[in-house]
Amino acid sequence: DVKVTQSSRYLVKRTGEKVFLECVQDMDHENMFWYRQDPGLGLRLIYFSYDVKMKEKGDIPEGYSVSREKKERFSLILESASTNQTSMYLCASRSYKGLATYNEQFFGPGTRLTVL
Amino acid sequence: AQTVTQSQPEMSVQEAETVTLSCTYDTSESDYYLFWYKQPPSRQMILVIRQEAYKQQNATENRFSVNFQKAAKSFSLKISDSQLGDAAMYFCAYTFGSQGNLIFGKGTKLSVKP
Repeated sequence: DVKVTQSSRYLVKRTGEKVFLECVQDMDHENMFWYRQDPGLGLRLIYFSYDVKMKEKGDIPEGYSVSREKKERFSLILESASTNQTSMYLCASRSYKGLATYNEQFFGPGTRLTVL
Repeated sequence: AQTVTQSQPEMSVQEAETVTLSCTYDTSESDYYLFWYKQPPSRQMILVIRQEAYKQQNATENRFSVNFQKAAKSFSLKISDSQLGDAAMYFCAYTFGSQGNLIFGKGTKLSVKP
């Protein structure tokens, strides 16, 4: 089974702190994603990565950056955390083996981040 | 722009009954994929069912089935013989092509009454 893990289930940080959210997948997936989930807004894509050292902005990249130095790990970075970044953060990965079909995304358990 | 709309923020169903969750989407693409994801209180998002737009036959997975109406751009999820474990947030999602990103609806919270 595919396993996507996130470094923390719950995280509390202070305004202005630099925050790292880590995501690791164990199935050699090429694509990885970071989403933000807020009540009434669903999931919104922050950043995604097609492969190692590649990154693309999603719908709401402002205030975030990412790093993908190794295939299995995709990090989301909040350079200076703010209270409006209090949210649930979900990581996902999927295999990309060509254009024949769309492979599903597998999700991690989420990190609930509170910024005070 | 592609959008996904779930018009029911909350739904409730009696155990063993059938419930249908609605989803509509807007796209000008012809090759796309639709998904229903389930997020229980444990927060782990799980794929429930998927539908390829080029397939006319509605997808089914055990007690879960979809009613895919391509012309109407409608993709509803039917849960038969509802169980307590079906209680969760359900998200409808869309993507086009084979490498697109998922676009999610805002979700429907399903409660199951014993």
